[in-house]
Amino acid sequence: GAVVSQHPSWVICKSGTSVKIECRSLDFQATTMFWYRQFPKQSLMLMATSNEGSKATYEQGVEKDKFLINHASLTLSTLTVTSAHPEDSSFYICSARGQGSIGYTFGSGTRLTVV
Amino acid sequence: LAKTTQPISMDSYEGQEVNITCSHNNIATNDYITWYQQFPSQGPRFIIQGYKTKVTNEVASLFIPADRKSSTLSLPRVSLSDTAVYYCLVGALSGGYQKVTFGTGTKLQVIP
Repeated sequence: GAVVSQHPSWVICKSGTSVKIECRSLDFQATTMFWYRQFPKQSLMLMATSNEGSKATYEQGVEKDKFLINHASLTLSTLTVTSAHPEDSSFYICSARGQGSIGYTFGSGTRLTVV
Repeated sequence: LAKTTQPISMDSYEGQEVNITCSHNNIATNDYITWYQQFPSQGPRFIIQGYKTKVTNEVASLFIPADRKSSTLSLPRVSLSDTAVYYCLVGALSGGYQKVTFGTGTKLQVIP
């Protein structure tokens, strides 16, 4: 079935630095990928929709200049958390759906801790 | 996007059948119903999807009444490893990719 690979699985960074998270569709092409954020004991919150070759669409309240999304190819989308702060510490998850697949496939998630 | 409502949590003993119901009163004609399972610190995993009546696969069954305003995920003979959060999502599959938004989910705790 469709597989979405997400890296890194966890990262610790210092406040003020930037962190890049990669999401790859391994066996299918994904013109659209989604990025979510999940705080402890809460549901997934959609941050943005990543479109290959065009600008991402951000949900209300999500700062596009802070969460930079690049979807340069049909198999790769990246989320860069710029100037990270402790409040950005969260679990970030990407998802995509392959042609003909039932449902969406999610990455394994990235645990970001900003210290 | 149709909003979904699920119980926040449920407890069940091992070996029992568990039924988790989701309400989606404003489901659209072309919306499908999909259930996902999420373990701590992992991405959600697809369980089952349906449009109407009953769907069954190797891990679960999905019951959808005629009015489609609710659906029930049935997990037969749960084990401790079924302890997870279960999400019900409603959305269309046709017409390109539709963004998927999550409700609160149901935290299932399986007790020995």
